[in-house]
Amino acid sequence: DGGITQSPKYLFRKEGQNVTLSCEQNLNHDAMYWYRQDPGQGLRLIYYSQIVNDFQKGDIAEGYSVSREKKESFPLTVTSAQKNPTAFYLCASTTIGRDRGNEQFFGPGTRLTVL
Amino acid sequence: RKEVEQDPGPFNVPEGATVAFNCTYSNSASQSFFWYRQDCRKEPKLLMSVYSSGNEDGRFTAQLNRASQYISLLIRDSKLSDSATYLCVVTPRIQGAQKLVFGQGTRLTINP
Repeated sequence: DGGITQSPKYLFRKEGQNVTLSCEQNLNHDAMYWYRQDPGQGLRLIYYSQIVNDFQKGDIAEGYSVSREKKESFPLTVTSAQKNPTAFYLCASTTIGRDRGNEQFFGPGTRLTVL
Repeated sequence: RKEVEQDPGPFNVPEGATVAFNCTYSNSASQSFFWYRQDCRKEPKLLMSVYSSGNEDGRFTAQLNRASQYISLLIRDSKLSDSATYLCVVTPRIQGAQKLVFGQGTRLTINP
């Protein structure tokens, strides 16, 4: 079955530690995205990538880093510089099309808690 | 002003009722519009795209008013399973990778 997987589902981290969240898709999608969701709020874009070895900052990139070495993988590192990292992190992917608004498919998310 | 605004609710309605959500957006260059549904502690899933002419999918009807920059979602004959948070989403362009902008969501609870 095609889809997006994220791991782990739950993650606990001590303050001052970096942690990497995994996102993999086998949908052959070109673009991949990372969002953060806080309780009672919508999704905010952290980083996105349209093509391998290229990525752009979203609205709240500070304290995060990404890489896109393979089309199917887009890992997110939450660094110790992120002041309030406890949140629900969602990865998404989509094709890049010409004539339509393209649906973004989401992974199941990772809940990160900083202790 | 937020780029996409929704009434956060919560909306509590009886089963079988009709419920309507509105969403306003500030970027007049927005090209694509969507309604996503998000169940508690789950990822968002596309409910329907919103087209200029309006579109219907079973009990769900979506409409777009570009002049007033708002989008609506109407749910008829609501079911218990419709209980969820509904996210209004806009994007500034159709081609290329999209930066979707999400509203904060409207929480809906259908009561038996």
